[in-house]
Amino acid sequence: SAVISQKPSRDICQRGTSLTIQCQVDSQVTMMFWYRQQPGQSLTLIATANQGSEATYESGFVIDKFPISRPNLTFSTLTVSNMSPEDSSIYLCSVVGDRRSEAFFGQGTRLTVV
Amino acid sequence: AQSVTQLGSHVSVSEGALVLLRCNYSSSVPPYLFWYVQYPNQGLQLLLKYTSAATLVKGINGFEAEFKKSETSFHLTKPSAHMSDAAEYFCAVIEQGGSEKLVFGKGTKLTVNP
Repeated sequence: SAVISQKPSRDICQRGTSLTIQCQVDSQVTMMFWYRQQPGQSLTLIATANQGSEATYESGFVIDKFPISRPNLTFSTLTVSNMSPEDSSIYLCSVVGDRRSEAFFGQGTRLTVV
Repeated sequence: AQSVTQLGSHVSVSEGALVLLRCNYSSSVPPYLFWYVQYPNQGLQLLLKYTSAATLVKGINGFEAEFKKSETSFHLTKPSAHMSDAAEYFCAVIEQGGSEKLVFGKGTKLTVNP
């Protein structure tokens, strides 16, 4: 199993500003995943963060808006840039366990943009 | 790309009635399949998973799901609904080969009527 520490747990931010979310995993993993859950919606994958290479973004998400860092095998950050109220969501990081038998999630960051 | 379809964004049942939540996947190669539950304002909780072992999988809270390759389905059932089962349910899939990313269905909101 994997334990993921994610912070902050929640924040209220002004529009036009940026917020960086951090995720720390208690074991080394090749890939880390970032998701967004908008109010009343399912989880949507934003990007896959690989150590030593640029993140791979899903359709509809761009690096300028959601820059990701992955400096080592246990840590990643997601920045939500130039925020607007539409960015108000829960953001989660995730890793997949051995043999893909389970996914582990951070506690989530509940972001409100005002 | 791998995808998951959950038929019915809302399902309403009476307390004590059968719960059936539908999930179909798109891959020709059977993936790993998961059901998650999310209670209001809470995080995701893993209900059960299929990882190429037994096709009938039993999970927590009396839920079970049957993997049917011929129907590319992994429907979630519970013989008798309880008021506490009211929540959002998400089906998710990880490919056996290729990307490790977990892809979620759009979710089904279960309402249990007294």
